[in-house]
Amino acid sequence: DGGITQSPKYLFRKEGQNVTLSCEQNLNHDAMYWYRQDPGQGLRLIYYSQIVNDFQKGDIAEGYSVSREKKESFPLTVTSAQKNPTAFYLCASRDRPDGINYGYTFGSGTRLTVV
Amino acid sequence: AQSVAQPEDQVNVAEGNPLTVKCTYSVSGNPYLFWYVQYPNRGLQFLLKYITGDNLVKGSYGFEAEFNKSQTSFHLKKPSALVSDSALYFCAVRTPGGSYIPTFGRGTSLIVHP
Repeated sequence: DGGITQSPKYLFRKEGQNVTLSCEQNLNHDAMYWYRQDPGQGLRLIYYSQIVNDFQKGDIAEGYSVSREKKESFPLTVTSAQKNPTAFYLCASRDRPDGINYGYTFGSGTRLTVV
Repeated sequence: AQSVAQPEDQVNVAEGNPLTVKCTYSVSGNPYLFWYVQYPNRGLQFLLKYITGDNLVKGSYGFEAEFNKSQTSFHLKKPSALVSDSALYFCAVRTPGGSYIPTFGRGTSLIVHP
């Protein structure tokens, strides 16, 4: 079955550490997105990529970095510069930026906790 | 600019009763509207969309939504709620063209009581 796989499901980070969240899709989708979800705040866009080797900052990109070296993969690194990283992180994709399906396919998320 | 408002943080309904989850939007131009559902510690699942055509849109799990252009609303409805419908519901809007990035509402927690 096609879909989006996020790993790990749970991740613990010590203060000052960088951590990388994995997002892999086998849907052959061009566009991929990272969102952060906090209680009562909905989804906030961190970064997005509409094509391989290209990505754009979203609304809350500070303290995060991404790469898009392959169509299937869009990893997110939470750097030590992100002062409040504890959140639920969601990866999504769409077959084209203007996709005929118009909607996203989401992964199951990674819950990151700073310890 | 585009925005979405979900005025209720939580909606409570008894099983078997009809449910409504409200959503209003603001865009320049014609809207593309979406509803998603999220179960605990899971990603969002697509429920339904309005792009054009009939104002009443039917989606998954017996849900439907009505597009009302004059009231800029896209309320989610179901004639008879199930306990298993309890989840977090998100409304989203975007416009044709541009960056194709939708704006999500803050979410409404639906609780269906047995």
